[in-house]
Amino acid sequence: SAVISQKPSRDICQRGTSLTIQCQVDSQVTMMFWYRQQPGQSLTLIATANQGSEATYESGFVIDKFPISRPNLTFSTLTVSNMSPEDSSIYLCSTEGRNEQFFGPGTRLTVL
Amino acid sequence: GNSVTQMEGPVTLSEEAFLTINCTYTATGYPSLFWYVQYPGEGLQLLLKATKADDKGSNKGFEATYRKETTSFHLEKGSVQVSDSAVYFCALSPISGNTPLVFGKGTRLSVIA
Repeated sequence: SAVISQKPSRDICQRGTSLTIQCQVDSQVTMMFWYRQQPGQSLTLIATANQGSEATYESGFVIDKFPISRPNLTFSTLTVSNMSPEDSSIYLCSTEGRNEQFFGPGTRLTVL
Repeated sequence: GNSVTQMEGPVTLSEEAFLTINCTYTATGYPSLFWYVQYPGEGLQLLLKATKADDKGSNKGFEATYRKETTSFHLEKGSVQVSDSAVYFCALSPISGNTPLVFGKGTRLSVIA
């Protein structure tokens, strides 16, 4: 299994600012995924990040708004740029395992 | 495309009641199916999974059987406890492993003593 940590666990931000969320995995993994969970909703995939290549974004998500870095096989960051109250969500990092996905504890973001 | 539909919540049960949370899916091929649980203030945890038709996943008293003929993966527990109060997500992996999961909307369960 993979153990995933995220920082920060939560934050309250002002609109127009940006926040970078860090995701650390305790083992080397090929693919990492970033999800958004809006209040009372399910998880929506933002993008898939492979080490050494550009992230692949899902429909409705763009790199300018959610830039992602993947500098090595154990680490990734997601930046939420130019935030608005609509970006208030839990952001989760995830990675694949043997026929299973593992999730970080999430970053709870509130934008005022 | 691939999708998961689960029963709307919230579901409120008394302790020791029987639980069923319905989940049906649409997918091409032979997906793997999962139930994840999210306890208050925590991240998602895998509860159980099934990778092929007629497989039964089980954990902590919860069970779900992969029914290809009805494209279903209903979650059941014979006797719920207060500690089972959480949000339950049904999900599928279109190709076994190494692809992002497709999630249902989640069902909030509240168990009262």
